[in-house]
Amino acid sequence: NAGVTQTPKFQVLKTGQSMTLQCAQDMNHNSMYWYRQDPGMGLRLIYYSASEGTTDKGEVPNGYNVSRLNKREFSLRLESAAPSQTSVYFCASSEDGVNQPQHFGDGTRLSIL
Amino acid sequence: EDQVTQSPEALRLQEGESSSLNCSYTVSGLRGLFWYRQDPGKGPEFLFTLYSAGEEKEKERLKATLTKKESFLHITAPKPEDSATYLCALLQGGSYIPTFGRGTSLIVHP
Repeated sequence: NAGVTQTPKFQVLKTGQSMTLQCAQDMNHNSMYWYRQDPGMGLRLIYYSASEGTTDKGEVPNGYNVSRLNKREFSLRLESAAPSQTSVYFCASSEDGVNQPQHFGDGTRLSIL
Repeated sequence: EDQVTQSPEALRLQEGESSSLNCSYTVSGLRGLFWYRQDPGKGPEFLFTLYSAGEEKEKERLKATLTKKESFLHITAPKPEDSATYLCALLQGGSYIPTFGRGTSLIVHP
């Protein structure tokens, strides 16, 4: 039972490089989310997708783009990485309906040098 | 100002020493409050959902309670394997996007 799978688990980039973080869920959830987690800041929402074909900005979207490739997959792209984007990135998904909890992947640890 | 505040930021307990973690909130129109557990190097794992004041949920050594202004996660006779960061998150109004607190880091010493 995989749940939410994120790849890669670790990545080191140089400033200005680009990369895409991948996320896939096998729970048939419509809603998917991207968060970043920084020490002392908690989880902050970057982008979310309520269903296939739709995406919306969260609290901290600048410097990121997303693609909801299909119902299972939701990717996060850094076009020109900056040291301020060094963080742990979590993908999550949730069922439709009121008050549904989120299910998280184990994160991608990204360092920008 | 944070809408969700968790306290304490860090808590160290001896094995068997019961205690409580607090999640206080200032939002109106609370629709639900979630508790998650996060182990180092892992994503948050869902524990409980509470919907209304007076509600309680239990799982092993954990019990979550909810009032109109705060929620408590009570840990009874904790064991070292209960060591983790505990996060609360809440849903308000018409949004289905939860607001997370910054978490409480719990360490239980044997």
